[in-house]
Amino acid sequence: KQEVTQIPAALSVPEGENLVLNCSFTDSAIYNLQWFRQDPGKGLTSLLLIQSSQREQTSGRLNASLDKSSGRSTLYIAASQPGDSATYLCAALGGANNLFFGTGTRLTVIP
Amino acid sequence: NAGVTQTPKFQVLKTGQSMTLQCAQDMNHEYMSWYRQDPGMGLRLIHYSVGAGITDQGEVPNGYNVSRSTTEDFPLRLLSAAPSQTSVYFCASSYFRGGGNEQFFGPGTRLTVL
Repeated sequence: KQEVTQIPAALSVPEGENLVLNCSFTDSAIYNLQWFRQDPGKGLTSLLLIQSSQREQTSGRLNASLDKSSGRSTLYIAASQPGDSATYLCAALGGANNLFFGTGTRLTVIP
Repeated sequence: NAGVTQTPKFQVLKTGQSMTLQCAQDMNHEYMSWYRQDPGMGLRLIHYSVGAGITDQGEVPNGYNVSRSTTEDFPLRLLSAAPSQTSVYFCASSYFRGGGNEQFFGPGTRLTVL
């Protein structure tokens, strides 16, 4: 069974700092890796999707990388802003199109 | 294009009551699924469907039923609610053919069972 782990569970940084969120998975046979953002009491917003054949994807200040052989993905956030404060979830897509989620990293960006 | 919609947003039930959580999507997606989110455990798959008339169990299916009579709708039924089913429920959808498709989530239903 696929196990997805996110470290750290919580992170607090001053505004303007660059930061990296980590995601690891145990089974490298994935179709893609998807990063989501979740605000308190809200649903999941898709941020980036990396196909299994890709190494990275970029959207604005966000960059996600994928290394299937080592079972790792990272989400890089440049020049963090208070509006980036949220919980970030990674999910690996396995067989039957089902997602396996990590427990998330709760990010706080301090003004 | 409304995306994935869920109703109700909040619900309080008493132990033993039944109810149906509604999920609909207007993107003509073949794949639909239900997850529950509990503190410290991440999202876990309850049931999923790859097309009308086809459903299958996920990681935590006990106590829940689903059916898929149309492409657009995928309701989740709680037959006899238990306090352990207190959770936030999310519905998701995506294209299925070709693999590796981005999944889209609804806003969630927050359920409390007393």
